[in-house]
Amino acid sequence: EDQVTQSPEALRLQEGESSSLNCSYTVSGLRGLFWYRQDPGKGPEFLFTLYSAGEEKEKERLKATLTKKESFLHITAPKPEDSATYLCAVHPTFGSGTKLNVKP
Amino acid sequence: KAGVTQTPRYLIKTRGQQVTLSCSPISGHRSVSWYQQTPGQGLQFLFEYFSETQRNKGNFPGRFSGRQFSNSRSEMNVSTLELGDSALYLCASSRTDSVEQFFGPGTRLTVL
Repeated sequence: EDQVTQSPEALRLQEGESSSLNCSYTVSGLRGLFWYRQDPGKGPEFLFTLYSAGEEKEKERLKATLTKKESFLHITAPKPEDSATYLCAVHPTFGSGTKLNVKP
Repeated sequence: KAGVTQTPRYLIKTRGQQVTLSCSPISGHRSVSWYQQTPGQGLQFLFEYFSETQRNKGNFPGRFSGRQFSNSRSEMNVSTLELGDSALYLCASSRTDSVEQFFGPGTRLTVL
C-alpha cells in the first residue's frame, strides 16, 4: 500500500525566512510525485510534478526536488501570500499536508 | 478555459437520506477522480473514472458510488447518510493518469 508522509504539520515563518517542507513516500512504482497548494475553502491547485530522482522544478519562490525516498518543497524568501496548506501526492494517495503561515 | 465545476456547492442533509453530487471536468479531460476531505483524515481517495469505467476505488463502504457519463461528467452518490459523512467532497479531472489533476471548488456536505 502506497504511503505519503509530510512534515512538519505546521510551519510558521517570518516574511523572508526561507525553509523546506518534506514529503517522504513509499510506493510500489513511482509514476509521478505531485505538489499542490490549497487555500482555505478551495480545492487544491497544482504546482509541480516530479518523475525521477534528481529532478527539480521551480516556480517563483518555490522549488521542488525529488530523491528515491522523499521530496522537498523549498520556499525562498516567502511572502504572506505564500500562506496555504501544501499537499504532496502520489496519486491517488495524498499526504496530510503542511500548513504554512508566513507573517509580515 | 473553464475549470472543474461542482454542484451544489453546499448541501445539508439528515441521517439516513441520500445525496448526489455532480462534477463537470475540464473540456477534453477524460479522467475524473473523487476525494473526501475532512480535518482529521485529510484527502481520502474515493474512486476514479476514465471513459465511463471505474478504474480505481478507495477504501470506502458500498454506500459510496459513482458513475461517469459519455461527456465525461461524473456523479457520486452517498446513500444512507451518516454523521461521519460530513466533509468536503472534491472532484478532480485530468487528461489521463500519471499527470496533474485539476480540482473543483468542492461540495461541502453537512449531515445532521
